Amino acid sequence: QQQVKQSPQSLIVQKGGISIINCAYENTAFDYFPWYQQFPGKGPALLIAIRPDVSEKKEGRFTISFNKSAKQFSLHIMDSQPGDSATYFCAASGDSGGGADGLTFGKGTHLIIQP
Amino acid sequence: KAGVTQTPRYLIKTRGQQVTLSCSPISGHRSVSWYQQTPGQGLQFLFEYFSETQRNKGNFPGRFSGRQFSNSRSEMNVSTLELGDSALYLCASSLGQGRGAFFGQGTRLTVV
Repeated sequence: QQQVKQSPQSLIVQKGGISIINCAYENTAFDYFPWYQQFPGKGPALLIAIRPDVSEKKEGRFTISFNKSAKQFSLHIMDSQPGDSATYFCAASGDSGGGADGLTFGKGTHLIIQP
Repeated sequence: KAGVTQTPRYLIKTRGQQVTLSCSPISGHRSVSWYQQTPGQGLQFLFEYFSETQRNKGNFPGRFSGRQFSNSRSEMNVSTLELGDSALYLCASSLGQGRGAFFGQGTRLTVV
């Protein structure tokens, strides 16, 4: 059972445009939602994260929007640049009492920013 | 501050062998998690250690095991390797509670 569904699978955006990636989760026990960026040959890098007590968090050109009732969250990349071309993963985790559970990842979005 | 260091970067093993991968976390981080990344299954959680104790475990067979040392360094072991174990194995460290996890570059394991 895929607990975090990510879309789209791939995305092409023009330089300067807004890139939007969406994720939906099923487990209501999730209480931590990070986004990771991965370049080929590298490990995932933490971009930004949010908890369900806020609806939006912004860090530079990256914004997470969170809708608790719909169990959805999204990443917006403003003024997208060619250097943003990478694979993006959403993730979620909860705490089942033994410390934070491992991250459950979406399948990833391959983002290409065209110059 | 040095990042998460994983060794070796690349490994080629034969089916049936066993392998040990190593991870040095960011200084001061006491939580170390391991993940498997494959094109088909994506990123999947293996297990997490905190202060030398395994706190959480993903849905992997018992052939996959790990441990953490008093200096927070961690190793994972895969016994009786199968072709399907070919993957990028990633280690992540955090201060605690598994949040704010920082990943290493991974160990690329190829089983032939």
